[in-house]
Amino acid sequence: AQTVTQSQPEMSVQEAETVTLSCTYDTSENNYYLFWYKQPPSRQMILVIRQEAYKQQNATENRFSVNFQKAAKSFSLKISDSQLGDTAMYFCAQGAQKLVFGQGTRLTINP
Amino acid sequence: GAVVSQHPSRVICKSGTSVKIECRSLDFQATTMFWYRQFPKKSLMLMATSNEGSKATYEQGVEKDKFLINHASLTLSTLTVTSAHPEDSSFYICSAPLDRKINEKLFFGSGTQLSVL
Repeated sequence: AQTVTQSQPEMSVQEAETVTLSCTYDTSENNYYLFWYKQPPSRQMILVIRQEAYKQQNATENRFSVNFQKAAKSFSLKISDSQLGDTAMYFCAQGAQKLVFGQGTRLTINP
Repeated sequence: GAVVSQHPSRVICKSGTSVKIECRSLDFQATTMFWYRQFPKKSLMLMATSNEGSKATYEQGVEKDKFLINHASLTLSTLTVTSAHPEDSSFYICSAPLDRKINEKLFFGSGTQLSVL
């Protein structure tokens, strides 16, 4: 069975700081994707970043980057120069056709 | 870009009534759509996979007769919560992949908050 675990229910940092959200997963699939989604109070799911499992190079999207450790089945998200607008729930997800989500991390960026 | 429209965004109903939630892919065809349920401050749990032209595939523990799914066309999937009860109150979200073969581009609806009185 596929599982995704986020061990940090809540995190809080000051604006402009760097924060890392942790995620581990388990799957028997060979071809899959890993995602980080942001869910602001509007509850709209917003894709932050995506990693293809067969690619060793870590994905980056502007201030967002991941540390993908396939052997360890770890997929952490680093947010650099955090902004107030980054405050949201963050979900790690894994899948190929359908997604399994982690429990989420509530991130608060303080001014 | 591709958009998935979900309607209604919020619905309040009396216990025992049925509620229909629509999920539309606006500028692409979606032969598959996914329905998730999210309890307050919890994660998204996959309920079922909606397949155009065939029966939906339900996840373990999801009542097929309670949550009816119809994928009527290549752009529309509906979730009907039948004989709703307060415990069915939740946030329901649909998603549709842009590409059938690889789930690279996945688009989410804006969700439906169902409150059953």
